[in-house]
Formats: sequence, structure tokens, C-alpha cells
Amino acid sequence: GIQVEQSPPDLILQEGANSTLRCNFSDSVNNLQWFHQNPWGQLINLFYIPSGTKQNGRLSATTVATERYSLLYISSSQTTDSGVYFCGAGGTSYGKLTFGQGTILTVHP
Amino acid sequence: GAGVSQSPRYKVAKRGQDVALRCDPISGHVSLFWYQQALGQGPEFLTYFQNEAQLDKSGLPSDRFFAERPEGSVSTLKIQRTQQEDSAVYLCASSPPGLAGILFGPGTRLLVL
Repeated sequence: GIQVEQSPPDLILQEGANSTLRCNFSDSVNNLQWFHQNPWGQLINLFYIPSGTKQNGRLSATTVATERYSLLYISSSQTTDSGVYFCGAGGTSYGKLTFGQGTILTVHP
Repeated sequence: GAGVSQSPRYKVAKRGQDVALRCDPISGHVSLFWYQQALGQGPEFLTYFQNEAQLDKSGLPSDRFFAERPEGSVSTLKIQRTQQEDSAVYLCASSPPGLAGILFGPGTRLLVL
């Protein structure tokens, strides 16, 4: 099955800094999603991005499917951005995802 | 409307007990997924439903795990004869037909003593 690796495993920032999180996947995919798991455990869907680039406020994501990676950019980070960021990748017709181990982001005020 | 809801939010079971975890997906979402998340890990796929049909159960770890969605809306994940290694957060997610962003519920945290 698909293997998903995320980097870095941990990231510590000062408020206002920018960051880039990476997701590598082992096989061709037709489904790539980024999630934020907040400190209360809720997984929030940030982007459905099997290819191309999307932006939502301070967050943006780019997937280069042919090179098997996706990037999540966080600009002007805030303490509320803290938590774990997961990417999930899949190649089925129905949306089954394999998740990486996550990147733990801590933003200090 | 409301998001995906799950109940109970927390469940403590003695080893050997049976448990049932409930998921109410978003109205109109035909796709429903169950995932298991161990502490410090990413979610792992358990099973997938399209309406009432269970089309993929390849992630269920043993025959003690059983899921159903008899009317194509509410789903129940049942674990028989629970063991300590079953302790985890069980996440339900739903999505519209086809490939789209999936939306997760808050999860049920199961602790088996």
C-alpha cells in the first residue's frame, strides 16, 4: 500500500514566523488531504488537494503529484495554529486515506 | 447543519467486555469511514461504507471488530471481547459521493482495563 512520510516531526516557532510542512508519498495518488488536529483531538480538514495549489487565508498547500509530494505553508503563525498536522494520501476511487505520522507544531507567543 | 457526531465520547471497558460505538454522519453524505488512532500516531483506516454497503473492511484488525450501517446513515462499530491493545481513539468520518474532503467527528476514546 501507499507509504506516507511527513517532515519535520516537530516544529517550534515564535508567533509571526512562517513554516513549511512536507508530505512525501510512495505511489501515485488521486487524493491528498491536509488536516489539523487541535489540542482537544478534533481533526479539521484544511485542504483537499490531489494536485495544484490552494490558499485559504494564512494557509496554502501545493501538491506535485508527479513528484509525489505535497507542501503545507503556514504564514504569520499564531498560537492557535499549534497542534498536529497530518497529511493523508490515497489512490482508491472512494477516498480511503493512508496517513503520515504527523508534524507537531508548537507556536510560542 | 451539524457536523459528524459520535457517542459515547469516552468509554472505559473491562477486558473481555463488548462495546458499541456510534457515528452519525453529516446528512446526505453517502461515504462513511472508520479510523483508529493510537496515541501519538496518525489515524489508521478500518472500514468504508457507501450508503449501507460495506465496500472495504480491509483495515479491521481482527474478527472481533464488526461495523454496520443498516439504513445508510448511522453506523455502529462493535468490538467484541475487548483487549488492552484495543485502547485507542475511534474516529468516524463522512464525505459526499466520489473523491472529496472528508470530515471527521470528535472521536470516541476507548480505554480497556
